Amino acid sequence: TQLLEQSPQFLSIQEGENLTVYCNSSSVFSSLQWYRQEPGEGPVLLVTVVTGGEVKKLKRLTFQFGDARKDSSLHITAAQPGDTGLYLCAGAGTPLVFGKGTRLSVIA
Amino acid sequence: ETGVTQTPRHLVMGMTNKKSLKCEQHLGHNAMYWYKQSAKKPLELMFVYNFKEQTENNSVPSRFSPECPNSSHLFLHLHTLQPEDSALYLCASSQDPRDSHLIFGQGTRLTVV
Repeated sequence: TQLLEQSPQFLSIQEGENLTVYCNSSSVFSSLQWYRQEPGEGPVLLVTVVTGGEVKKLKRLTFQFGDARKDSSLHITAAQPGDTGLYLCAGAGTPLVFGKGTRLSVIA
Repeated sequence: ETGVTQTPRHLVMGMTNKKSLKCEQHLGHNAMYWYKQSAKKPLELMFVYNFKEQTENNSVPSRFSPECPNSSHLFLHLHTLQPEDSALYLCASSQDPRDSHLIFGQGTRLTVV
């Protein structure tokens, strides 16, 4: 069974701080996705990483896929209250394999 | 508005009630999904439909009964649920089951009392 472990489980930081959250597996994935789920909403796809070592940037968010395609990280620079939400990683498969998520709270 | 609409947004039901959750999408997608999201657990895939045909049933109890009358609409019929079934039920769609880009609805927050 493929599993994705996300850490930390919870993170509370002040506005303006930087943070990194992680998604790790013992399995290799052909691609990996990151979703953000805001309170009261469904998850929304942020990015898909495909190539080992790939780095993608989305404004203040930087996503990296590990060289071995078993892990990924999400770095947020100068966090803002609007970044608050549950960040989910999902590994390619039929069906997708989801992690439990990291719940981020950014305090103004 | 994500393109996938779920109703109702909130539902409280007794253990002897029968209710239905509705999901619709007009994105032209052929695959539709039901997921269960509980606290401290990963998203759990319940059912997958492709071109109205059920292609996956992840050992879901029979008290949950899906229906897909066409590729734009998906229902989840609920009866004799248990309190542990309380969760956020998410509908999603994609172009086809091999397409990993899921579009999720806003979910139905279900409470079983």
